Amino acid sequence: QLQLQESGPGLVKPSETLSLTCTVSGGSISNSNYYWGWIRQPPRKGLEWIGSIYYTGSTYYNPSLKSRVTISVDTSKKQFSLKLTSVTAADTAVYYCARLGITATTYAFDFWGQGSLVTVSS
Amino acid sequence: QSALTQPPSASGSPGQSVTISCTGTSSDVGGYNYVSWYQHHPGKAPRLMIYEVTKRPSGVPDRFSGSKSGNTASLIVSGLQAEDEADYYCSSYAGSSNWVFGGGTKLTVL
Repeated sequence: QLQLQESGPGLVKPSETLSLTCTVSGGSISNSNYYWGWIRQPPRKGLEWIGSIYYTGSTYYNPSLKSRVTISVDTSKKQFSLKLTSVTAADTAVYYCARLGITATTYAFDFWGQGSLVTVSS
Repeated sequence: QSALTQPPSASGSPGQSVTISCTGTSSDVGGYNYVSWYQHHPGKAPRLMIYEVTKRPSGVPDRFSGSKSGNTASLIVSGLQAEDEADYYCSSYAGSSNWVFGGGTKLTVL
């Protein structure tokens, strides 16, 4: 069974860079039928798509975050990562990684990690 | 792109049916048949319940169904059960390899 696990610091200072990694197990990150994505949920708010990446490295970002976001993939480690620069308190959220279908379950996030709470505070 | 609009709450008694709406625009919900719905119990990973407007992944009870009319999609939960109590989110493809989510609806089983 596919599993995704987020990892990274739970506390980041304002103006610094938030970094998270998602490790994929039980399946191939190089499967051509899927993208991989990051989604976040600020406290008491809804979900927000941050961006997605294909195993080749092609990336797609939410226009509202594009200037601060970088998503990368390391297929040898079966990992993909998120970097968000110049963070503020508004970036405090639970960050989820997820698999995004291209053919089956087209354009739906069909497997998710448990989520990682990141707090931005000095 | 703006978030999709969902009612903050919905409720029903066991055995009843509940419909949760998700309103977008012609650039997302109305423009593509790529609406999906997620069930989220706090502290757990969200679960895909419906994709491509009406399709159910294997393992999802057929009590869950989806539909769309114009710029509004709907999740219908029939025969409500206690374990259906959760937050539900809709999502839609918004073109140019972008996705948008709704604000979420808290479903309470009375």
